[in-house]
Amino acid sequence: DQQVKQNSPSLSVQEGRISILNCDYTNSMFDYFLWYKKYPAEGPTFLISISSIKDKNEDGRFTVFLNKSAKHLSLHIVPSQPGDSAVYFCAASARNGNEKLTFGTGTRLTIIP
Amino acid sequence: DVKVTQSSRYLVKRTGEKVFLECVQDMDHENMFWYRQDPGLGLRLIYFSYDVKMKEKGDIPEGYSVSREKKERFSLILESASTNQTSMYLCASSHDFYEQYFGPGTRLTVT
Repeated sequence: DQQVKQNSPSLSVQEGRISILNCDYTNSMFDYFLWYKKYPAEGPTFLISISSIKDKNEDGRFTVFLNKSAKHLSLHIVPSQPGDSAVYFCAASARNGNEKLTFGTGTRLTIIP
Repeated sequence: DVKVTQSSRYLVKRTGEKVFLECVQDMDHENMFWYRQDPGLGLRLIYFSYDVKMKEKGDIPEGYSVSREKKERFSLILESASTNQTSMYLCASSHDFYEQYFGPGTRLTVT
């Protein structure tokens, strides 16, 4: 039972363009969402997060949007750079539960120079 | 900077062997986690610990056990390794349950 889904296993984007990574969830108790980035042979690193009381959070080139009614979040990277090529995981947590993170399956983003 | 280290980057073991994976963090974090990462399945939580000598089962604890005798160290134990435990194992720590800091991972192959 995959409660957090990333339906696109891979995505290729031209350098300088916008990258949009999508994530859907099914558990209505989730109220905090995070994005992690993972390079090969390294552990994931935290990128950006959003609480369910917001619908948008921005940090430099990275913006996360949350649509609670659709149970959907997206990560926008603009402009995309070659160093953004990595696997991106979204994760969700229910703060009223045991608060562990549930991760999606990941999307491999490739930025084409 | 938070540093999470794992004892081995690559490990090859035989079926039936007992395997220990060690994880150490240097930021005095209360919470520590063990995940495995498999293609198409993402990161799945095996066990976590929110205090010394405390442990909680994650989503896939079967075939694994853990030990946390000191705050900075969290060990994952495979009592009798099997080929379906071939995977990338990731340790993480956090002050709260949200922003977790990961180690580089141990790629375990069981033959």
